[in-house]
Amino acid sequence: DAMVIQNPRYQVTQFGKPVTLSCSQTLNHNVMYWYQQKSSQAPKLLFHYYDKDFNNEADTPDNFQSRRPNTSFCFLDIRSPGLGDAAMYLCATSSLRTSGVYEQYFGPGTRLTVT
Amino acid sequence: LAKTTQPISMDSYEGQEVNITCSHNNIATNDYITWYQQFPSQGPRFIIQGYKTKVTNEVASLFIPADRKSSTLSLPRVSLSDTAVYYCLVGEYDKIIFGKGTRLHILP
Repeated sequence: DAMVIQNPRYQVTQFGKPVTLSCSQTLNHNVMYWYQQKSSQAPKLLFHYYDKDFNNEADTPDNFQSRRPNTSFCFLDIRSPGLGDAAMYLCATSSLRTSGVYEQYFGPGTRLTVT
Repeated sequence: LAKTTQPISMDSYEGQEVNITCSHNNIATNDYITWYQQFPSQGPRFIIQGYKTKVTNEVASLFIPADRKSSTLSLPRVSLSDTAVYYCLVGEYDKIIFGKGTRLHILP
């Protein structure tokens, strides 16, 4: 089945130690998103790629970076994780249709713990 | 960016129809209205999307009045498994803000 896959599902890192979260998709969608979701809060968009074009949300900290080497893969790099970065990180994809109608397909998320 | 306002929580009983209303007073001309469902420890799941009037699929209906300043998600004959958080989103593909969502609790 076509899907959005996130690895690992659970990630533990130490304060200040760089960490990379990965996302892959078999949907061949041209748009990929990264969201941060903290406990009992709504998902917050960090950035998205439209094809290879990177779009950063204005309030996304510089500590967060992303790479999209090809259509299928996208990575979230946290350069120096702080305790406040502990959260669920969600990857999503969408295929922008000419009508402007779209839906996002979300992965299961990676829960990041910072010790 | 259009901001959305939804009830924080709702309770209903199995077999009932549930209507969740979302306000989006400053919706833009190009904005679509989308609803997602999220279970604990899972990513959100697309339910339905519309631009105006009424949209229906196998899961839900979406009612949008002519002024588009609000929308109502209608879930027919809910079951216990519909207990989840429901998010209303307004925007285009690159301008997406999740509101606080509505925590729906279905009682037996």
